[in-house]
Amino acid sequence: AQSVAQPEDQVNVAEGNPLTVKCTYSVSGNPYLFWYVQYPNRGLQFLLKYITGDNLVKGSYGFEAEFNKSQTSFHLKKPSALVSDSALYFCAVRDRGGADGLTFGKGTHLIIQP
Amino acid sequence: DTGVSQDPRHKITKRGQNVTFRCDPISEHNRLYWYRQTLGQGPEFLTYFQNEAQLEKSRLLSDRFSAERPKGSFSTLEIQRTEQGDSAMYLCASSAGAQGASSGYTFGSGTRLTVV
Repeated sequence: AQSVAQPEDQVNVAEGNPLTVKCTYSVSGNPYLFWYVQYPNRGLQFLLKYITGDNLVKGSYGFEAEFNKSQTSFHLKKPSALVSDSALYFCAVRDRGGADGLTFGKGTHLIIQP
Repeated sequence: DTGVSQDPRHKITKRGQNVTFRCDPISEHNRLYWYRQTLGQGPEFLTYFQNEAQLEKSRLLSDRFSAERPKGSFSTLEIQRTEQGDSAMYLCASSAGAQGASSGYTFGSGTRLTVV
């Protein structure tokens, strides 16, 4: 079975500071990894994905994530946070050789303080 | 194409009633997924279709739940004899190609169900 852990329910960052939202995963094979963002009463918006290749993945709105196979992590980062980045962030995984559904973490509330 | 559309956006129903939700995927996407999201949790996979074939169903999809995609385009999710525990956001997503992950998943805005 595959699983995702987002250890922080909430992350608070001052505007302009770098941010990190943590994600670790567990799959039996090789993973596909994703980050999505959700605004209130909205669906999920895709930020970035790791499929293969370069471990550093760049995505939308200046976000990036680094795939670390030895630590089974895929932390989301941004060099300089904006107030508009405040939202709920979900990490998701799919086993490359497995069924097609994604397994999501519980989500992390990111709060950027002006 | 405006993305994945879901209807209705909100549904309030009395316990024991049946409800049906609709999802219209991106037109060129052959794979369609249903997820359920409860408060404070991430989305949980329910089922998915490749064209009109339902290829996988989660254990979460009890006998009261049924999903169809009759012509390989839009899909419906029906819940019979609703229970208060069915209250959740129901999300639909679609993807293209044989490997949905490599081409990405696009989510709709969801249908919020409240069972009273």
